[in-house]
Amino acid sequence: AQKITQTQPGMFVQEKEAVTLDCTYDTSDQSYGLFWYKQPSSGEMIFLIYQGSYDEQNATEGRYSLNFQKARKSANLVISASQLGDSAMYFCAMREGRMYSGGGADGLTFGKGTHLIIQP
Amino acid sequence: GAGVSQSPSNKVTEKGKDVELRCDPISGHTALYWYRQSLGQGLEFLIYFQGNSAPDKSGLPSDRFSAERTGGSVSTLTIQRTQQEDSAVYLCASSSRTGGSGNTIYFGEGSWLTVV
Repeated sequence: AQKITQTQPGMFVQEKEAVTLDCTYDTSDQSYGLFWYKQPSSGEMIFLIYQGSYDEQNATEGRYSLNFQKARKSANLVISASQLGDSAMYFCAMREGRMYSGGGADGLTFGKGTHLIIQP
Repeated sequence: GAGVSQSPSNKVTEKGKDVELRCDPISGHTALYWYRQSLGQGLEFLIYFQGNSAPDKSGLPSDRFSAERTGGSVSTLTIQRTQQEDSAVYLCASSSRTGGSGNTIYFGEGSWLTVV
């Protein structure tokens, strides 16, 4: 089974509308972190927002918020008031915190991404 | 600069040639990762370095791939006898610590490798 599932390969949204990008995850760990990254056409991966598994409040960073539903194992990204510059690939990722230094689990497991296009 | 720096940004090579990709992590970051992104795919973990510890090579796809990290800083990913399926963007990332959740990883802009 995939550890990170992003079910929306592509989305078209009108400028200024809110956007929700779906992400579900699969882990048996109690301690883990969930990340969202933006990848514009230039290729670099830009960190957007982080949610820890023990965080009780949903994470927010400016226009980005993470709708964390632990029981459903979902970590959807919400972008409020979308802008043309938001057009990019968006990746959900997870780090499972059970393994510590030297373990590949310290790296991130990524979903396949959602291609978001904001239309004027 | 303050970010993760990778070179070359673009590389076109002939099948069978060796290539070297370089990564200069953020100063002070002890953890360094190499990932690969093929067209239309998510990121594939390749290798992970943490300080002077033995690297985690579990993601390397074949023995044609190797990586080293000198002095706990700069890393070089080497692909020997390149094949067309090696064509991808190779992304390097670094982070300030390891162990547990909540550690942000910063990515470079990637090296675009095309094998013809």
